[in-house]
Amino acid sequence: DSGVTQTPKHLITATGQRVTLRCSPRSGDLSVYWYQQSLDQGLQFLIQYYNGEERAKGNILERFSAQQFPDLHSELNLSSLELGDSALYFCASSPRLVNTEAFFGQGTRLTVV
Amino acid sequence: QKEVEQDPGPLSVPEGAIVSLNCTYSNSAFQYFMWYRQYSRKGPELLMYTYSSGNKEDGRFTAQVDKSSKYISLFIRDSQPSDSATYLCAMDDTGRRALTFGSGTRLQVQP
Repeated sequence: DSGVTQTPKHLITATGQRVTLRCSPRSGDLSVYWYQQSLDQGLQFLIQYYNGEERAKGNILERFSAQQFPDLHSELNLSSLELGDSALYFCASSPRLVNTEAFFGQGTRLTVV
Repeated sequence: QKEVEQDPGPLSVPEGAIVSLNCTYSNSAFQYFMWYRQYSRKGPELLMYTYSSGNKEDGRFTAQVDKSSKYISLFIRDSQPSDSATYLCAMDDTGRRALTFGSGTRLQVQP
């Protein structure tokens, strides 16, 4: 167990809907990363937060947004869902802005039907 | 062309074999190199981390980085069925950004 908790584990929803994925980082970790893993694209970086502030953006669609709250948990919001958004979404956390210390959660498997 | 290329496999070996997993990359600025293991339906788990060129050993695992060739390797000695998983390489330039991952190599160790 990495200590990073993601909920829900599985999510099935229809096209056009909006969902929220939640990540609780390891105790004391200030940095949170979101990644998307699909069969054809591999692990793709979406967005990074550090102590409540956005630090970096990767290949994140405009339909997607995220935030990190004062208690350091993070949420990834996905809206106007399309079939192609079906993927595993991972959250990783690290104590500082050092990615060599990042630990991943178990992921949320999103299926859009 | 992807920044990080990794043979997807699957790679099937008998128990006890030495396994060699490799990645090539195009960004010469990369200095931090990591190997992750991912079991089916689980999150990636950090195995090894290497800074710049050279070798690093941890038990049955050895990571090698050849920056001149832009090539990294992970060797697994005395492979076990429990090593069956997907192995992902990942890298970064500053150690502070999000990682760039390879697509992963699926390894099967046959008992």
